[in-house]
Amino acid sequence: NAGVTQTPKFRVLKTGQSMTLLCAQDMNHEYMYWYRQDPGMGLRLIHYSVGEGTTAKGEVPDGYNVSRLKKQNFLLGLESAAPSQTSVYFCASSYSRGETQYFGPGTRLLVL
Amino acid sequence: EDQVTQSPEALRLQEGESSSLNCSYTVSGLRGLFWYRQDPGKGPEFLFTLYSAGEEKEKERLKATLTKKESFLHITAPKPEDSATYLCAAFQGGYQKVTFGTGTKLQVIP
Repeated sequence: NAGVTQTPKFRVLKTGQSMTLLCAQDMNHEYMYWYRQDPGMGLRLIHYSVGEGTTAKGEVPDGYNVSRLKKQNFLLGLESAAPSQTSVYFCASSYSRGETQYFGPGTRLLVL
Repeated sequence: EDQVTQSPEALRLQEGESSSLNCSYTVSGLRGLFWYRQDPGKGPEFLFTLYSAGEEKEKERLKATLTKKESFLHITAPKPEDSATYLCAAFQGGYQKVTFGTGTKLQVIP
């Protein structure tokens, strides 16, 4: 039981490049989330999904897109990376919105 | 505005020196208060969920309590391995929203 896994662990991008972050969970959770964590700020929700095939915007969605084609996977895409997107990205999953969220190990992204 | 504020931002304790971390919240319709531990370079790890004022939960040297305006994480006789950042988060039932605090960075010195 791996819980929540994220790939890659670390990535460096140049401004304007695109990339996809992958999150996978093996707990059969309906809800999945993407957060970013920046120094001095709490975890901020980018997008989330309430089930396979659904996505919804969080509090900081601009510049990101997501897809949930399979229940166990949640992808976060950056179409044209900007230095402001330098951050640590965490994926999480839960049975429902108010239940405990289980987090992945994070992806550290540096945009030059 | 919904807010979760944690204090202090950083806390340095001697091994064995008990203390408390504070999480105050101003959210409407609180349905749950979560505590997480985050080690450097890792994702947050779940510790406790509290649902109603007066509730307490314990795990080893940690005890979490909840009032109508704040939550405390009490650390009794801490050890160096308790060093981490502790995050709290408030879940609002009406808006189905979870708001995280910025955390308290705890350092326990041998």
